[in-house]
Amino acid sequence: GENVEQHPSTLSVQEGDSAVIKCTYSDSASNYFPWYKQELGKRPQLIIDIRSNVGEKKDQRIAVTLNKTAKHFSLHITETQPEDSAVYFCAANRATGTASKLTFGTGTRLQVTL
Amino acid sequence: SAVISQKPSRDICQRGTSLTIQCQVDSQVTMMFWYRQQPGQSLTLIATANQGSEATYESGFVIDKFPISRPNLTFSTLTVSNLSPEDSSIYLCSVSGLPTTDTQYFGPGTRLTVL
Repeated sequence: GENVEQHPSTLSVQEGDSAVIKCTYSDSASNYFPWYKQELGKRPQLIIDIRSNVGEKKDQRIAVTLNKTAKHFSLHITETQPEDSAVYFCAANRATGTASKLTFGTGTRLQVTL
Repeated sequence: SAVISQKPSRDICQRGTSLTIQCQVDSQVTMMFWYRQQPGQSLTLIATANQGSEATYESGFVIDKFPISRPNLTFSTLTVSNLSPEDSSIYLCSVSGLPTTDTQYFGPGTRLTVL
């Protein structure tokens, strides 16, 4: 089955700096890669996703890049702000029949310090 | 995206009892899923709730422990049976189909504590 590895497990950056979180996946058939942000005590919130037919997608201060050959994808957050502090999860889909299931990475705790 | 609600939001249960969690969506969705998130951990898929048929369970999860119902396209329940302290977790439902079959949105979760 699909296996998703995520690094680093914790990341501390100063406000205004950039943050990069990296994930690798094992199943070459995976074609959908979402990123979720989870604040303490809240539900995971979809912040950006990318499909395998594109290499990069950007939405304001966040961007995701995908390298299908190497089977890795990354989340980039620029001009970080204290409200970016949260746990971030990457995921990859497992297209099995009619259900597209997600396998999640282990999460990255991002701390943005003043 | 759809509005997803879960009941209860939290509960404290005694060992050996069961808890049923409800997930309600404000519009019809293609797929509904149930996840477990243990303290400080990632999300693990328990099962896919299939409308009108038996749920599809992931490796390590069985129907006797986690019976699931999905009577229609907007509602599902997860029961956690014969509770033990190891079942203390957050249980989340998610839905997909809005706008695509891949995109999943999560409910607010149910925090279960087993004494």
